[in-house]
Amino acid sequence: ILNVEQSPQSLHVQEGDSTNFTCSFPSSNFYALHWYRWETAKSPEALFVMTLNGDEKKKGRISATLNTKEGYSYLYIKGSQPEDSATYLCASMNSGYSTLTFGKGTMLLVSP
Amino acid sequence: EAQVTQNPRYLITVTGKKLTVTCSQNMNHEYMSWYRQDPGLGLRQIYYSMNVEVTDKGDVPEGYKVSRKEKRNFPLILESPSPNQTSLYFCASSDWTGLAKNIQYFGAGTRLSVL
Repeated sequence: ILNVEQSPQSLHVQEGDSTNFTCSFPSSNFYALHWYRWETAKSPEALFVMTLNGDEKKKGRISATLNTKEGYSYLYIKGSQPEDSATYLCASMNSGYSTLTFGKGTMLLVSP
Repeated sequence: EAQVTQNPRYLITVTGKKLTVTCSQNMNHEYMSWYRQDPGLGLRQIYYSMNVEVTDKGDVPEGYKVSRKEKRNFPLILESPSPNQTSLYFCASSDWTGLAKNIQYFGAGTRLSVL
């Protein structure tokens, strides 16, 4: 079982603040890193899939970076809005495995 | 509309009474998976299937069975449910190949309570 860790566990920011979270994963035999957004009472939805060291992905105000050599990924939200409130999950997949291993998530609350 | 459909959404049952949670996807995905979500533990994989008639254990398979007789369906079976199987369950499917890199499309979830 891979060990995927996310920090912080939870975060409370004000509308307009920028924020970032960390996902740590095993760097050996790395294959892919996923980020998902999970709103309360809904199902998780994919934000990004990244595979290459140095990858950067962007979707609106949300962006992510990947460092496969040291085994971490950052998710950034610029100018947080209340609708960004959700749990953000990362998941890692290593070559040779057929499964994704999820972290426990970072719960973000954005207050107006 | 591309979707993963789980039924039922909510279920309350008693210890030992066999139950099945159905999952169906209309995206022709080869890979399907079941997860359970428990507070403080994150999403943990129960079973997965890479194709018809091919299933394999995930991280927490004890007490569960699955089958994959058709590409679109992947039911989760609890032969003798116990209270420690009270959880939120998600079915997911993905295009396993190429650039998709196994992006998971999740169903709406099934909240199960075993009394």
